[in-house]
Amino acid sequence: DGGITQSPKYLFRKEGQNVTLSCEQNLNHDAMYWYRQDPGQGLRLIYYSQIVNDFQKGDIAEGYSVSREKKESFPLTVTSAQKNPTAFYLCASSSRDRGPGETQYFGPGTRLLVL
Amino acid sequence: DQQVKQNSPSLSVQEGRISILNCDYTNSMFDYFLWYKKYPAEGPTFLISISSIKDKNEDGRFTVFLNKSAKHLSLHIVPSQPGDSAVYFCAATYLNSGNTPLVFGKGTRLSVIA
Repeated sequence: DGGITQSPKYLFRKEGQNVTLSCEQNLNHDAMYWYRQDPGQGLRLIYYSQIVNDFQKGDIAEGYSVSREKKESFPLTVTSAQKNPTAFYLCASSSRDRGPGETQYFGPGTRLLVL
Repeated sequence: DQQVKQNSPSLSVQEGRISILNCDYTNSMFDYFLWYKKYPAEGPTFLISISSIKDKNEDGRFTVFLNKSAKHLSLHIVPSQPGDSAVYFCAATYLNSGNTPLVFGKGTRLSVIA
């Protein structure tokens, strides 16, 4: 059963704490993405990776870090430098091999709340 | 500067009628457009897409229209059903540039009233 999994579903962060959100895909996709959704803001790109061991900053990368050591995994760390981390975080993946165009497939999301 | 704009935050339609969701873009380099549907606390799911070489793409009750000269696209849902109530995101990308990220609009919340 192929898909994208994100864990945990809910995550609580204390002030000054770093937290890591997990994203795993078994779709054999090359590219993976992290988005943040805030009310009325749509989906904003945090980081993306087109290939293992390479990643690029998106529009709102400040206060976040990522790694891409394996094709199937793209964890996102929300650092203490991110002053407003409360949001719904979405991971996605895509592959050009699926044919014309690019369709991103999304995970179920992680809601991060600050205590 | 928003490259993809959905100017209507919300839309209410009666069941059985047509829903029309609109999207405008500013970057003329975009050549592929997608619509995603999202329920609360879930990830978006792909609905329908269109390449810039076409002006219409249809899939069942869903049709997307593209007007390149106006940099405008729209999603038509007919007939609308209560299960269509969700937030709809318009997205755009460059078809021949590798796995480039999608640029999303802010979404339109559709409510289909029974």
